[in-house]
Amino acid sequence: GQNIDQPTEMTATEGAIVQINCTYQTSGFNGLFWYQQHAGEAPTFLSYNVLDGLEEKGRFSSFLSRSKGYSYLLLKELQMKDSASYLCAVLDSNYQLIWGAGTKLIIKP
Amino acid sequence: EADIYQTPRYLVIGTGKKITLECSQTMGHDKMYWYQQDPGMELHLIHYSYGVNSTEKGDLSSESTVSRIRTEHFPLTLESARPSHTSQYLCASSQTENTEAFFGQGTRLTVV
Repeated sequence: GQNIDQPTEMTATEGAIVQINCTYQTSGFNGLFWYQQHAGEAPTFLSYNVLDGLEEKGRFSSFLSRSKGYSYLLLKELQMKDSASYLCAVLDSNYQLIWGAGTKLIIKP
Repeated sequence: EADIYQTPRYLVIGTGKKITLECSQTMGHDKMYWYQQDPGMELHLIHYSYGVNSTEKGDLSSESTVSRIRTEHFPLTLESARPSHTSQYLCASSQTENTEAFFGQGTRLTVV
């Protein structure tokens, strides 16, 4: 079967750096997405990786290793507004998105 | 800001009722999707569409139907609501499968 694994919950301190990991086992691979979802709101797009390596976008970076079935989202200079769930999703060989259950990130002052 | 809208935002209905959840987007996207999401859980694909007159079933489609008569409009109908349908329903659209999806604000449905 197809599977996306993320930690359920993580806690970090304002101003610090946090890395959220995502491992996947899917039938084929056509890219990996990260979305942010605040409680009670819709997901919003953060990043898309299809090639190995690091993509940087402001305070957020996303890394992909296709051979290891692994990605991480790196958040720097954490702010209270970064408290949210972070969803990892993989586009499989049929171009269907397989979603992880998300990682709830709690930021403490 | 995404131009994709869902109505209603909240809905409480009785068991057995027929309901239609509305979704419209003004971005001209061909790809549209309906997802169901329970708190703290992953998104489950209910139905999707690749364009006008195209609809496909996802993992949770057996108790609902969709139509795509116009590019901008993708309504979801539950023929007979049950308490197990209580959930949040999210509509999304994208230009292609491997570009970002824009989500509506969701419909939180409660069936009593």
